[in-house]
Parts: sequence; C-alpha cells; structure tokens
Amino acid sequence: EAGVAQSPRYKIIEKRQSVAFWCNPISGHATLYWYQQILGQGPKLLIQFQNNGVVDDSQLPKDRFSAERLKGVDSTLKIQPAKLEDSAVYLCASTIQGANTEAFFGQGTRLTVV
Amino acid sequence: KNQVEQSPQSLIILEGKNCTLQCNYTVSPFSNLRWYKQDTGRGPVSLTIMTFSENTKSNGRYTATLDADTKQSSLHITASQLSDSASYICVVSPPRTGTASKLTFGTGTRLQVTL
Repeated sequence: EAGVAQSPRYKIIEKRQSVAFWCNPISGHATLYWYQQILGQGPKLLIQFQNNGVVDDSQLPKDRFSAERLKGVDSTLKIQPAKLEDSAVYLCASTIQGANTEAFFGQGTRLTVV
Repeated sequence: KNQVEQSPQSLIILEGKNCTLQCNYTVSPFSNLRWYKQDTGRGPVSLTIMTFSENTKSNGRYTATLDADTKQSSLHITASQLSDSASYICVVSPPRTGTASKLTFGTGTRLQVTL
C-alpha cells in the first residue's frame, strides 16, 4: 500500500514570496489533514478535509494560508505571502474516516523562510 | 496550557537500557490515545493506539499503558536500540463529533540512544 506522498521535500523562499505544497493521500482515505510542525513542537492542525469539503480550518491563518482539495483526492496548501515564522515542517496526513482510525503521515515538506 | 503534556522533554540513554516516557492529558472526554514515533526528517508513525477502556498495549519492545482515571499514559521501551532515537509523540482524540477530528498532539519527548 502506497503511503501519503508529499512534495517538495524541502523549500527555501524569501519572506513575502509565495509557496505551495502538494499532498496525495492514501487511496480511499476520505479525510485529509494539513499540520504545521515548528521545530521542537508537536504538529498543529491547520485544516481538515472530508472528501472535498472543509471540516475544520479554525487554526488556519486565512489571511495568508489557503488550501484546497477540489476533487476529494490530492490537496494543495499555499502560503502567500510567507513570513519568517512560517518556517516549519508541513505534514499531510490521511485517515479512512475521521478521528478514530489511524492517521498516516507523509514525510512532510520542510519550509525555510529567509 | 497544552492539553497534552509530555515528559521528559529530552532523554539520553545507553543502548540496551530501558526507559519510560510520560504523557499527561486534560482532554476529556477522550476516545483514544496514541503514541507516535517520529524519526528526524520523517512524518510520525503510529506505535500504539488505546481506547479509554484499555490499560495496556504492546508493539514489540514498546509497551504503552493508560490510566484513564488519572489521565496519564506512559510508553516503555525495553532493551533500547540505536534506531529508537527519535521523538515520541502522545496524541489524544476526543469522541468523534460528526466528521471533525480534534487530534491533540503533545510536544514530544526527544530520545537519544547512545553507545
């Protein structure tokens, strides 16, 4: 079974630039999550999709972050414009259905904003 | 205040030794508690998952315990190996409400196993 795929693995950008991350969840997984993990901290949920609908985006900084999952499969997360404090690992995870099933994580995209 | 607190923040042990990591949570009610292992530069990988009615769950050299009364969990690693060097994250989820998932992550314990 293929795991959660994310790209790119690493990205370095200057502040005020824009960046996009891509995630392809495990086939058949209806629920997709984007997390932000700052160095030394646990992951923080940014947004949760159920199929192509947003379930929870309460912690997404909507002035600069956006995400979509148009066809209910893969997803993109965008930051525009980036700030220094956005430097983090962005993790994508998927589950078959909701919270009571195991979440499978991708390897993450390490973003450095300089 | 974080709803899931882990201790110690970091730990260094010799190869072959045992260690125990702690997780205290305030998430209530809760549905299940999981321990994840996160190698440097990788995404977290699930080690164990316990529902509120389970007291212990083992996965090879990893044994997790849960005391729902005191809201504490521990992860015990037996006969540590160099490959155990990683961050260990405790994750608590409440009962599912609709399709929303409120996984609450601890900040992790950074374990280093040395020769």
